[in-house]
Amino acid sequence: QKEVEQNSGPLSVPEGAIASLNCTYSDRVSQSFFWYRQYSGKSPELIMSIYSNGDKEDGRFTAQLNKASQYVSLLIRDSQPSDSATYLCAVNSGNTPLVFGKGTRLSVIA
Amino acid sequence: ETGVTQTPRHLVMGMTNKKSLKCEQHLGHNAMYWYKQSAKKPLELMFVYSLEERVENNSVPSRFSPECPNSSHLFLHLHTLQPEDSALYLCASSQDSTGVYGYTFGSGTRLTVV
Repeated sequence: QKEVEQNSGPLSVPEGAIASLNCTYSDRVSQSFFWYRQYSGKSPELIMSIYSNGDKEDGRFTAQLNKASQYVSLLIRDSQPSDSATYLCAVNSGNTPLVFGKGTRLSVIA
Repeated sequence: ETGVTQTPRHLVMGMTNKKSLKCEQHLGHNAMYWYKQSAKKPLELMFVYSLEERVENNSVPSRFSPECPNSSHLFLHLHTLQPEDSALYLCASSQDSTGVYGYTFGSGTRLTVV
């Protein structure tokens, strides 16, 4: 069974610090990787996608993918209280629906 | 309208009621999904439709009945629900059922069964 594992947290970081969120996946043939942000009571919002090994940067967000080690991470630089949310990792493995992790709750302390 | 729209945003229903949730996507996507998210639990995939055909049903109780009349609309018909069915119900769409480009979620329907 395909699995995506995340530490549930909460992960607490001070404002201005770097928040590091990690995700591991079980299916070696996984092709596409996504990070969603979900505020309490709201729906998930896609914030990053990554398809090849290495880093992908978008503003304060950097996604990192290492297919050999089967992990994907999300770094948030200069963390703000508005970044406090649950971050969901999702993995695509071909002709099956996305597999979502349980999410990591991030709390940025002002 | 853009993106994925869900109605109603909130719904309170009795266990003997019949209600329907509606989802509409304006993205030209070919696949649509229903997810259930209970408090402090991960997303649970309920149904997958690709080009209006159901391709996956994750052992969902028959009191939940999906309908996909075309690639832009998806319904979830509810009847004789239980209190444990109270949750956030999310609709999502993707370009195709592989989800290789990710999903776009609607705002969700917060359902309370009393």
